[in-house]
Amino acid sequence: GQNIDQPTEMTATEGAIVQINCTYQTSGFNGLFWYQQHAGEAPTFLSYNVLDGLEEKGRFSSFLSRSKGYSYLLLKELQMKDSASYLCAVRALGGNNRLAFGKGNQVVVIP
Amino acid sequence: NAGVTQTPKFQVLKTGQSMTLQCAQDMNHEYMSWYRQDPGMGLRLIHYSVGAGITDQGEVPNGYNVSRSTTEDFPLRLLSAAPSQTSVYFCASSYSAGDNSPLHFGNGTRLTVT
Repeated sequence: GQNIDQPTEMTATEGAIVQINCTYQTSGFNGLFWYQQHAGEAPTFLSYNVLDGLEEKGRFSSFLSRSKGYSYLLLKELQMKDSASYLCAVRALGGNNRLAFGKGNQVVVIP
Repeated sequence: NAGVTQTPKFQVLKTGQSMTLQCAQDMNHEYMSWYRQDPGMGLRLIHYSVGAGITDQGEVPNGYNVSRSTTEDFPLRLLSAAPSQTSVYFCASSYSAGDNSPLHFGNGTRLTVT
């Protein structure tokens, strides 16, 4: 099975940088996804990591360490619209590569 | 290009009633899935399909049926609704199951069972 752990909530100031962590345990790792979900809306895809290292996409970056079972999402130059829940999802080998989601981390951006 | 379309957006059922949540995608995606999202629980996989004619159970399949007669459609059936099935349901699809294809989510169906 898969076990995915994320902290539940954090508050940050507009313009700041925030790091959202995700630790996971899985029998056979085959990729990690980050999604953003605004209240009352559907999740939307942010980033994908399968190899160790940093992936950068504009203001968002995602890092993966497979040996540590650890990933983080870095949000730079925070904007009010970044207030949302951030979901970490891990894909395991076998079982038709199903995705298992963490419970999400709620980020509240304040002026 | 509509993406993933779910209907209805809201539904109230009485215990014991049955209904079908509809899901359609127009992106020619092979992989389709249904999740439910409950407060404090995260997204949990109910059923999924890796192609037309193929379905399999996810993490929480009890009380739900699915079928995949076409590539585009993946309906979710509640056989006899229970209050424990009150949740937000998301249908999601991706190009395939095993690579870096991200899931595309529908807008969700908010179901209340009384």
